[in-house]
Amino acid sequence: RKEVEQDPGPFNVPEGATVAFNCTYSNSASQSFFWYRQDCRKEPKLLMSVYSSGNEDGRFTAQLNRASQYISLLIRDSKLSDSATYLCVVKGWRNQGGKLIFGQGTELSVKP
Amino acid sequence: GAGVSQSPSNKVTEKGKDVELRCDPISGHTALYWYRQSLGQGLEFLIYFQGNSAPDKSGLPSDRFSAERTGGSVSTLTIQRTQQEDSAVYLCASSLNKLAGGSEQFFGPGTRLTVL
Repeated sequence: RKEVEQDPGPFNVPEGATVAFNCTYSNSASQSFFWYRQDCRKEPKLLMSVYSSGNEDGRFTAQLNRASQYISLLIRDSKLSDSATYLCVVKGWRNQGGKLIFGQGTELSVKP
Repeated sequence: GAGVSQSPSNKVTEKGKDVELRCDPISGHTALYWYRQSLGQGLEFLIYFQGNSAPDKSGLPSDRFSAERTGGSVSTLTIQRTQQEDSAVYLCASSLNKLAGGSEQFFGPGTRLTVL
C-alpha cells in the first residue's frame, strides 16, 4: 500500500464547476499535511497547508480528518488556470524528519 | 528574490556514465532536499541535509547515488554508472528549518536526466 494515495483522475470539468479531490495516508503519526500544485513540466508549488480545523483560501478549501487519515481539497468556481496536477503531501512523522511524501497526483483539466 | 536554482536543466548521458547535478538553495535556508520524479510516478524522496547534521540518506535507491552539501549551501547529487531506470526529473528543494512543522519547501525547476 502506498503511503499517500489519491484519486487517480484525470478530472475533466467545465469552467465554474466545483471539484473535490480526496487523499488518504497510511501513517497515523504523520505530522503535517499539504496540497501542492504542479503545472506541466514545472516544479511543485505549495497551494495550501491543511489543518484539522479545515482551512479556506479563496475558492480553495482543505479538510483533514485525522481519525480517518483522510485529506480533501475542494475547488469552487473552477477557472481555466486551475488546470494542473494536484499533489497530496504528507510531512514525515517524528523519526522521518522533514521529508515530504507525495501522492501520485490528480490531474485536473478545466475546459471552457 | 532568487529561488532555488538547479543545473543543468537537461542532461542526456549514455548508460554507464557518471553524472553530477547541482542545486543552489535559497540563501539562508538550512534544510536541503533531493527528490526525483519518474515518468508516471509521484515524487520520491532521496536525501536531505539539515545544517551540520548527518544527512538522511534513507531514500537513495542504490549505492550508485550519493550527495554532498558543501559549506552548508550548494549541493551536488552524483549518480555513478547511470542506468536507464535513472531517467527522471531530479528536483531540489530548500526550507528554513526541517523541524518547523509548517516550514514550506521551495522547489527548484529540476534537472531532466535522460539515460540512453
